[in-house]
Amino acid sequence: QVQLQESGPGLVKPSQTLSLPCSVSGVSISSAAYYWSWIRQHPGKGLEWIGYIYYNGNTYYNPSLKSRVTISLDTSKNQFSLRLRSVTAADTAVYYCARAPVQVAGVDYWGQGTLVTVSS
Amino acid sequence: DIQMTQSPSSLSASVGDRVSITCRASQSIYTYLNWYQQKPGKAPKLLIYDASTLLSGVPSRFSGSGSGTDFTLTISSLQSEDFATYYCQQSSSTTWTFGQGTKVEIK
Repeated sequence: QVQLQESGPGLVKPSQTLSLPCSVSGVSISSAAYYWSWIRQHPGKGLEWIGYIYYNGNTYYNPSLKSRVTISLDTSKNQFSLRLRSVTAADTAVYYCARAPVQVAGVDYWGQGTLVTVSS
Repeated sequence: DIQMTQSPSSLSASVGDRVSITCRASQSIYTYLNWYQQKPGKAPKLLIYDASTLLSGVPSRFSGSGSGTDFTLTISSLQSEDFATYYCQQSSSTTWTFGQGTKVEIK
């Protein structure tokens, strides 16, 4: 069964880099059938798409975050990762990793989400 | 960027009511429109993709319609477990966007 699990620090200092890996089980991230995505949700707010990566390494980012975001694949660990540079308090949110079938282009499996707080 | 606007932002309804939520895109997205349900403290759940295709296991009281710029999610007879926040999401372009959400509350 497919499972995604975010991990990483719950607290990041302003101006530093937020790094979150997502471990995937039950499916290979090398499959051409899926996009691997990051989505976040500010406390009490709606969903914000961050970006996604395809098995061949092609990446697509939210234009509002593009200058600070990198999503990458690690096929040896069957995981993908989010890096968000120069964080501020406005980046405090629950971060979800997710799988989106190419034929659907909508997320069918989500991680449980991890709260990242940006504070000194 | 394609902007997605949902209405209403919230609504109050009773069990058994028919409920409709609309989602409007700032340009044509054909039928590249998905609907999600989110309950507090949980990850969202995909209900409908391609504007009107129900995901396997989703109750048939949920339905989606529309194409181009205007879309609707309908719950034919609201159940207690349907009280949640609903989001639309477009995947027409390589950059995806969500609507701002519609909270369905108990009247």
